[in-house]
Amino acid sequence: DSGVTQTPKHLITATGQRVTLRCSPRSGDLSVYWYQQSLDQGLQFLIHYYNGEERAKGNILERFSAQQFPDLHSELNLSSLELGDSALYFCASSVGTTTNEKLFFGSGTQLSVL
Amino acid sequence: GENVEQHPSTLSVQEGDSAVIKCTYSDSASNYFPWYKQELGKRPQLIIDIRSNVGEKKDQRIAVTLNKTAKHFSLHITETQPEDSAVYFCAATSGAGNMLTFGGGTRLMVKP
Repeated sequence: DSGVTQTPKHLITATGQRVTLRCSPRSGDLSVYWYQQSLDQGLQFLIHYYNGEERAKGNILERFSAQQFPDLHSELNLSSLELGDSALYFCASSVGTTTNEKLFFGSGTQLSVL
Repeated sequence: GENVEQHPSTLSVQEGDSAVIKCTYSDSASNYFPWYKQELGKRPQLIIDIRSNVGEKKDQRIAVTLNKTAKHFSLHITETQPEDSAVYFCAATSGAGNMLTFGGGTRLMVKP
């Protein structure tokens, strides 16, 4: 167990809908990262938050948004869902502000858009 | 932004043989290069990492080499075992240190 908690584990929804994925980082970690992993694809970086502030943004669609709350948990909001958004969404956390250290991944949220 | 290329995409070896996975990166300011292993249905986990001030690092059967001039780094697994079967991802951190970019992954299959 990495100490990073993601909920829900599975999510099935329809096109056009909106969903929220939740992540609680390890105790003491201030950085949260979101990655998307499509079938047989690599890990695509979406966004990085450190202590409530956005640090970096990757290839994140405008339909997607995220935030990190004062208690350090993070939420990834996906709206106007399309079939192609079906993927495994990972959250990871680390202690510091940079990515020059080990990331601890959660077990992921499997999103299926039908 | 950073671009990380990884080869091969699949690799099949016989148990006991060695396996080598290679990656190249584009950002010359990158200074941290981790490798993650993802078993089927599980989360990625760090197995080894190397920083730019080191050319080689070894941990039991796993070693990583880094050539900063050529901007490439490699993972070497010796005496492979069936439990080494997994997808391996290389990664490189951006020069600003705020983004970790992963390669496309290598599916390693170790045949008993």
